[in-house]
Amino acid sequence: NAGVMQNPRHLVRRRGQEARLRCSPMKGHSHVYWYRQLPEEGLKFMVYLQKENIIDESGMPKERFSAEFPKEGPSILRIQQVVRGDSAAYFCASSPRGTVNTEAFFGQGTRLTVV
Amino acid sequence: AQSVTQLGSHVSVSEGALVLLRCNYSSSVPPYLFWYVQYPNQGLQLLLKYTTGATLVKGINGFEAEFKKSETSFHLTKPSAHMSDAAEYFCAVSEAGGTSYGKLTFGQGTILTVHP
Repeated sequence: NAGVMQNPRHLVRRRGQEARLRCSPMKGHSHVYWYRQLPEEGLKFMVYLQKENIIDESGMPKERFSAEFPKEGPSILRIQQVVRGDSAAYFCASSPRGTVNTEAFFGQGTRLTVV
Repeated sequence: AQSVTQLGSHVSVSEGALVLLRCNYSSSVPPYLFWYVQYPNQGLQLLLKYTTGATLVKGINGFEAEFKKSETSFHLTKPSAHMSDAAEYFCAVSEAGGTSYGKLTFGQGTILTVHP
């Protein structure tokens, strides 16, 4: 059973371009969380999705950021018109259940650099 | 709102010495508490978690942590450090009984360095 797969591992974008980050959860997991890790900081919650539904997007910036988790295929975190401040590591975690005591398994992250 | 504070962004120990990484939390409801480890350019790996029951929790790689409600603490310890323990460690909290899903609030992280 493969772990949580994120791609690409590294992504370089120029200011104003779009960034698409992909997350394939572990087999059998229908709950996905996205976190952002800014330099010298801990991880900050962005969004929680369950298949085809956004459950909690309270950590998502109001503009330029969107997330989806379609019935088929990976979860996508999309950042439009990237700016230098978007440079960070973006981690996805998946879980078989959406309960507080269920372990979430993390991917290796996508490191986004905006130049 | 819940929050997590990790005292000391960097901790340095000698190989074989005690490891102590401090974590204090605030939560308006009984918390679930977690410690994760992150190796360079890797994702986070769960070391241990406290949900209910015994307050001393044992995890992988010889680590353990004790939940102290009166001190709102969940410090991570290991009796004897190994070179392979060098990594960044994150304490996290999730609200039990509040939201019904596993949204985590993380501390700022502590980088552990182990000297020969």
